[in-house]
Amino acid sequence: TQLLEQSPQFLSIQEGENLTVYCNSSSVFSSLQWYRQEPGEGPVLLVTVVTGGEVKKLKRLTFQFGDARKDSSLHITAAQPGDTGLYLCAGDQGGKLIFGQGTELSVKP
Amino acid sequence: GAVVSQHPSRVICKSGTSVKIECRSLDFQATTMFWYRQFPKQSLMLMATSNEGSKATYEQGVEKDKFLINHASLTLSTLTVTSAHPEDSSFYICSASQTGRGGYTFGSGTRLTVV
Repeated sequence: TQLLEQSPQFLSIQEGENLTVYCNSSSVFSSLQWYRQEPGEGPVLLVTVVTGGEVKKLKRLTFQFGDARKDSSLHITAAQPGDTGLYLCAGDQGGKLIFGQGTELSVKP
Repeated sequence: GAVVSQHPSRVICKSGTSVKIECRSLDFQATTMFWYRQFPKQSLMLMATSNEGSKATYEQGVEKDKFLINHASLTLSTLTVTSAHPEDSSFYICSASQTGRGGYTFGSGTRLTVV
């Protein structure tokens, strides 16, 4: 059983479209992080959310942490080809970082 | 900012041989380091948690005798894949948690190919 359910796992859209990636769990996390990973490289941290209900913005990316700290979402506005990559949510539980399945995003020009 | 160096970035080895991967925290002390494995088009799966000066804690299903982890200092952890087989071919990534500050910094990964 996956601790963190991430959806969708694959997403192919046109440049300019909006998209949302979801990360859900039945467990409570002390914090939740979103990463982006390029092929052949380690994941790079985008944001950490800690407080239930928290919303953080990073340019065209909006991150939200659920009130109960069990779920999170990543919304990208006006996606660009440079946004293409693997997006991963990860929850900090008991001093370990556990990852969701990842969302492979492809933005076509 | 915190930097984790992972070496080598790519390695090809023959079946039956062993391969050592190093993970170093360059500008901070890391009491805890983590080792992940990632297969193509999949997410990172935690293999083990490595604590400085003590035995590593392995996740369920990970063979501790096959994947030897040593965390001899606050800046270095090593993962040795022993008697490698083609099915061990994968992308291995380490991360380090900064002592007293939390957060996780990832290495750039090691692509292991066993032929």
